Amino acid sequence: GQNIDQPTEMTATEGAIVQINCTYQTSGFNGLFWYQQHAGEAPTFLSYNVLDGLEEKGRFSSFLSRSKGYSYLLLKELQMKDSASYLCAVLDSNYQLIWGAGTKLIIKP
Amino acid sequence: GAVVSQHPSWVICKSGTSVKIECRSLDFQATTMFWYRQFPKQSLMLMATSNEGSKATYEQGVEKDKFLINHASLTLSTLTVTSAHPEDSSFYICSARNQGDSGANVLTFGAGSRLTVL
Repeated sequence: GQNIDQPTEMTATEGAIVQINCTYQTSGFNGLFWYQQHAGEAPTFLSYNVLDGLEEKGRFSSFLSRSKGYSYLLLKELQMKDSASYLCAVLDSNYQLIWGAGTKLIIKP
Repeated sequence: GAVVSQHPSWVICKSGTSVKIECRSLDFQATTMFWYRQFPKQSLMLMATSNEGSKATYEQGVEKDKFLINHASLTLSTLTVTSAHPEDSSFYICSARNQGDSGANVLTFGAGSRLTVL
């Protein structure tokens, strides 16, 4: 079966750095997405990785290792507004998006 | 950037009534749109894939006669929850795929519609 694993919840301190991991087992791979979802709101796109390596976009970076079925989202200089759920999703061989359950990130002052 | 408009944001209805939710792609054409449902503290669950000019493709376990999907144009898909019951209360979100800055087909989400059935 297809499976995406990410931690249920993480806590970090304002100004610090946090890494949210995602491992996946899917039938084929056409890219991995990270989305941010604030409580009560729809998800918003953060990043897309299809090749191995690190993609940096401001305070957020996303890494992919296809051989390991592994990705992480790195958030630097954490701000209180970064408190949200972070969803990992993989596009499989049929171009269907397989979603992780999301990681709830709690930022403390 | 690409924008998907979803309406209404909130709806409260009586049990047994039908509710229609609209999803529009404002600045791009979407031959395919997706409808998700999300219960509190749970991840997104794909309900169906809406295809312009043809029948929607429903995920296993989703009743197509209860959740009617119409994709009449390249910019509009509607989801109608028929004979709604309290267990249908949820957060319904639509999305459409568009070419993002990275060249990938990125999903852009509507703001979501929170349905409460009394």
